[in-house]
Amino acid sequence: SAVISQKPSRDICQRGTSLTIQCQVDSQVTMMFWYRQQPRQSLTLIATANQGSEATYESGFVIDKFPISRPNLTFSTLTVSNMSPEDSSIYLCSVGAGTGYGYTFGSGTRLTVV
Amino acid sequence: TQLLEQSPQFLSIQEGENLTVYCNSSSVFSSLQWYRQEPGEGPVLLVTVVTGGEVKKLKRLTFQFGDARKDSSLHITAAQPGDTGLYLCAGIPSGTYKYIFGTGTRLKVLA
Repeated sequence: SAVISQKPSRDICQRGTSLTIQCQVDSQVTMMFWYRQQPRQSLTLIATANQGSEATYESGFVIDKFPISRPNLTFSTLTVSNMSPEDSSIYLCSVGAGTGYGYTFGSGTRLTVV
Repeated sequence: TQLLEQSPQFLSIQEGENLTVYCNSSSVFSSLQWYRQEPGEGPVLLVTVVTGGEVKKLKRLTFQFGDARKDSSLHITAAQPGDTGLYLCAGIPSGTYKYIFGTGTRLKVLA
């Protein structure tokens, strides 16, 4: 299965600032997925990033708040913009492990907004 | 809203005890996955169950998919502290294309 390198692993940010999270995959993949995991909760899909096209956002998530780049088939970034304490979460990128066979995840970025 | 409800939400047990985690839905799934997430890490895929009634074993972990493919269970025999983590079931409800995660079960095994 793919290996995903995600960074930073954690950060503490001031409200109103932005943070860009990077994900590097060791193989070419068509789709990459970005998830948010709020404290003590499960995972919620933010958006799906396809190379060469605009990301597809889930209900409740907008491009202005979570802009995504996908410059090639092995790399993607998620930016959390104009942060507030409510954005404090773990952010995870993932790629599919094959149709019907689940996903492989990066180790996550633990974001704390103060 | 398609939901995967897990129970219990939290579980704290002594080393050596057995436990079962449940994952239930009103929707049918073509397959379900189970993940374990340890602190500071992303979820790691443990198993995929595909066939109704299927049972899969992974060392001390036994996974079962319900006959109607609406529910699944994870049974851990003789739990060890290394089993501590957040257990998540996940899958795509039939008739949708959205991969959803269960509500999660946070397990702590005390030495």
